[in-house]
Amino acid sequence: KAGVTQTPRYLIKTRGQQVTLSCSPISGHRSVSWYQQTPGQGLQFLFEYFSETQRNKGNFPGRFSGRQFSNSRSEMNVSTLELGDSALYLCASSLDLGQIYGYTFGSGTRLTVV
Amino acid sequence: DQQVKQNSPSLSVQEGRISILNCDYTNSMFDYFLWYKKYPAEGPTFLISISSIKDKNEDGRFTVFLNKSAKHLSLHIVPSQPGDSAVYFCAANNAGNMLTFGGGTRLMVKP
Repeated sequence: KAGVTQTPRYLIKTRGQQVTLSCSPISGHRSVSWYQQTPGQGLQFLFEYFSETQRNKGNFPGRFSGRQFSNSRSEMNVSTLELGDSALYLCASSLDLGQIYGYTFGSGTRLTVV
Repeated sequence: DQQVKQNSPSLSVQEGRISILNCDYTNSMFDYFLWYKKYPAEGPTFLISISSIKDKNEDGRFTVFLNKSAKHLSLHIVPSQPGDSAVYFCAANNAGNMLTFGGGTRLMVKP
């Protein structure tokens, strides 16, 4: 079966712009989470969605937002981009809340802010 | 405040020998622990996990040990193979599907 699909794979944006990243979970998976990976901070939790509702949020500014659609696909948006937002953004899906052992990551979107 | 720490940023091991990767945590509410392997430009791949009610879990060449009193877990890979060369992350869970990750350890297995 198809894995977690993230688009686009690579993105270059200018400071001050906004960006939208997309994540399609494994078919049947209803929970989607987002992580940011940077060399200095490692992998950090952004937010988690289930049934179109945000269930958990990490310690990130309000410029970072997300949503989940009825088909479980999710998008995250970063507004007013800063150089420090350059990172690999990873999406993970699982069947349900609490199904942490089924957690599967996508290959990520590499965002570069110039 | 890092709740999950991997104090060794890198580890080099000879092929065929044992690789031991360590992870410490501070939050006693964590009740499930996972190890992931990551190659550059790819997402982390799940390797093995352990619940806080166990102290050992084994899957082929991979074994994870949990010492709750010391808040310490380790991943043993025996025997190590060149294909095991990657960055290894430990992660901990206590709520929903949110994982708290360590900073990673780069393992290099030399032929």
